This record gives sequence, C-alpha cells and structure tokens, in this order.
Amino acid sequence: SQQGEEDPQALSIQEGENATMNCSYKTSINNLQWYRQNSGRGLVHLILIRSNEREKHSGRLRVTLDTSKKSSSLLITASRAADTASYFCATVIQGAQKLVFGQGTRLTINP
Amino acid sequence: NAGVTQTPKFRVLKTGQSMTLLCAQDMNHEYMYWYRQDPGMGLRLIHYSVGEGTTAKGEVPDGYNVSRLKKQNFLLGLESAAPSQTSVYFCASSYRQEGNQPQHFGDGTRLSIL
Repeated sequence: SQQGEEDPQALSIQEGENATMNCSYKTSINNLQWYRQNSGRGLVHLILIRSNEREKHSGRLRVTLDTSKKSSSLLITASRAADTASYFCATVIQGAQKLVFGQGTRLTINP
Repeated sequence: NAGVTQTPKFRVLKTGQSMTLLCAQDMNHEYMYWYRQDPGMGLRLIHYSVGEGTTAKGEVPDGYNVSRLKKQNFLLGLESAAPSQTSVYFCASSYRQEGNQPQHFGDGTRLSIL
C-alpha cells in the first residue's frame, strides 16, 4: 500500500530555478521524511519534519508540512545539475512505526 | 566508515534457484530493513529486524526469508526464485525504528530472475 503520493511524477527545470515537489498522504503521521536517490544508488536522507512542525530548512532545502491537508512540500532553491535525482517522501504512520515510501518525483536539472 | 554495504551488486538467476543477499553495516545500528524497489511502486518493505536474533515481516514478505545472526549483518534469502522477484533490493539500517532517526541505505542489489 502506498501511503504517500508525490506530485509531479517528473519535473524538468533549468539550472538556477527553484524546484517544488509535493507529497500527500492518507493517515495521521508521526513524522515525514524526504530522501534523494541518484541514478543507480541508494536513498540518502535529506530532512525529517515532525508532525508538530510546520516548516524546516536545511541549506537550499525547505520543507513544509500541513497536517490538516495531509501534505508536504520540498523546495530546492537555486537548483544545480547535481540535484538531478529522484526524490521520495516517506511517512511514519502513527502506531505503525515503519516508514512508508511514496513513488517519487524524478527531477531533472538542465544546464 | 563504509556505512551499509550490499553484496552482490548484480545477479541473474534462473527460476527455481536460490540465493542469499548480504547486508552489512558498520554503524552499530539496532534496526535493519530489506526493501524492494520496482518501477512505479516506490520502495516496499519486505522484512525488518529490531535487533540481533529478531526478524519481522513487512509489507511484501512472501517468497523471502531473513536472518540476523549478528548485529551488523542482515541476510535476505530467496529459496525458489520467481520472475516476479526481479527487482532492485535495498538494505537499510537505523538507530531506532520509531522513525525519529533517518535510515541509511546501501546501493542496492539488482536481481534478475529468468
């Protein structure tokens, strides 16, 4: 079962532009995490936001969480070619204590 | 500090063959996980372990077995491989399962079943 759904499935932008990806989920969560996956590699943890937090920053990354809408967004500012990757949201469902991943957004940064 | 290491990186099997995928972590993590990643499906949890000598089923456990004899190793076994098990398999580890810690992933094992 897929708890999280990312939108869009694919995104292509020019280097230097901002990239926004969205994640929606179905049930109440403890926290939400974002991961990056470069082609042919494993997932790398980017940021974790707890259910009582609304916004979090890490370098060029900004994550927001709206628990009333059951949605989160990941903003990458001033994108670089190295940001080309797939981005996944993962939720920890209350009471389940396991990460459930969405299907991912494929981000392509064009030079 | 290697993190999470998976072996082998690639493997081709014939239907009915068996094999074991090995995951090793050097971060002294208590929790370890096996996922499979299929196109359009994201990552799905196969089995996980909350400590040495313990294992538990995830979302898609059928056709797989696991063992955690040592804290640093988590083995995934396919007793009789089927074409439906063609996938990329990822191992991950974390300090806790509660989700308040990030999971650290290996680079995957690409498995094809003919």
